[in-house]
Amino acid sequence: GENVEQHPSTLSVQEGDSAVIKCTYSDSASNYFPWYKQELGKRPQLIIDIRSNVGEKKDQRIAVTLNKTAKHFSLHITETQPEDSAVYFCAASGVGSNYQLIWGAGTKLIIKP
Amino acid sequence: DSGVTQTPKHLITATGQRVTLRCSPRSGDLSVYWYQQSLDQGLQFLIQYYNGEERAKGNILERFSAQQFPDLHSELNLSSLELGDSALYFCASSPRTDRTEAFFGQGTRLTVV
Repeated sequence: GENVEQHPSTLSVQEGDSAVIKCTYSDSASNYFPWYKQELGKRPQLIIDIRSNVGEKKDQRIAVTLNKTAKHFSLHITETQPEDSAVYFCAASGVGSNYQLIWGAGTKLIIKP
Repeated sequence: DSGVTQTPKHLITATGQRVTLRCSPRSGDLSVYWYQQSLDQGLQFLIQYYNGEERAKGNILERFSAQQFPDLHSELNLSSLELGDSALYFCASSPRTDRTEAFFGQGTRLTVV
């Protein structure tokens, strides 16, 4: 079945710098790739998603890129701010996973002032 | 507000007891997912229901069970509770089962003492 690996597990960046989190997936049939942000003690919230017919998607300071050949997708956050500190989860789904969201283990992003 | 409602928000109970967690999905969403999140851990998928029927099972213990009712709300029953069952339990809903984002409730924090 589908397997999603997420790296790094912890990422510490200076405020104002960029942060990149990468996920790889195993099932080439996966076609939906969301990213969720979870602040401490709160619910995961969808921040951006990408479908397999698109290579890149942007929303203000965040962007997601998808490389179907290499089977990886990445979250890019530019001009990081303190409120970006959170745990970020990637996920993948498709026919191979019976459309279940298969989750990465999460990345704790720390923004240093 | 995601539109997904979970009750109760907090629950403290003793080992060996049984509890029921409740989830009301967003209006119109047919699919309900249950997740367990232990302290500083990732999201562990437990079970999914779609329009009243079980659709997928994850790492759900035999002591746990769930159901989705005709009005689409769902309940997760946890029995013979152990200390290790202490966790945040999230419910999420989505309109369909494929290629759609999942919207999370605020979670139920279960503490077993």
